[in-house]
Amino acid sequence: DIQMTQSPSSLSASVGDRVTITCRASQYLTRYLNWYQQKPGKAPKLLIYSASSLQSGVPSRFSGSGSGTDFTLTISSLQPEDFATYYCQQSYINPLTFGGGTKVEIK
Amino acid sequence: EVQLVQSGAEVKKPGESLKISCKGSGYRFTTYWIAWVRQMPGKGLEWMGIINPGDSDTRYSPSFQGQVAISADKSITTAYLQWSSLKASDYGMYYCARRSSDVSTWTLDYWGQGTLVTVSS
Repeated sequence: DIQMTQSPSSLSASVGDRVTITCRASQYLTRYLNWYQQKPGKAPKLLIYSASSLQSGVPSRFSGSGSGTDFTLTISSLQPEDFATYYCQQSYINPLTFGGGTKVEIK
Repeated sequence: EVQLVQSGAEVKKPGESLKISCKGSGYRFTTYWIAWVRQMPGKGLEWMGIINPGDSDTRYSPSFQGQVAISADKSITTAYLQWSSLKASDYGMYYCARRSSDVSTWTLDYWGQGTLVTVSS
């Protein structure tokens, strides 16, 4: 299985901050990497697919970059509704695997 | 509007069987694969398996192969996740999710609301 490692596992940030989350894959993925947001008690929501494509309806302050084994999710200016847990997922090969998650908390 | 609506929370005893459901609407059900994802309390997401409702082609994660069964009834646009004998360790939230139309990638674009399964004696 492809192992996905996210860092950090948690972070504290203030509204308006720029936030960066990284995801590293144990195998080469080209650009088959997605990002999801999960709020407490809710289902995950697709934010970014194919490393850098914004899912319809997702605010443009979210962006993704990277290819191969190293990927990044950036929130350019953190908003109150962005406090959540973020997961990367490789979409290259079964079994699909997720990173361990990054919890973004209010500073 | 695409919707995946899951069945309600379940409380079961170890050894009992269970089948939970995920009803798709707002799209052509047979065209999109449906995946199941587990989330244990306070933990991350684990992909369990996926089914093509059009032809019932099913793939399982090795971690869940033989532990659960995934099926679908396209006549009522519903996918299922089934256990024949629950364990206490099966306690968790289970999500269904639709695979996107881009068949070059295994991206999950719409998710159900989740079904909480509690297994306790």
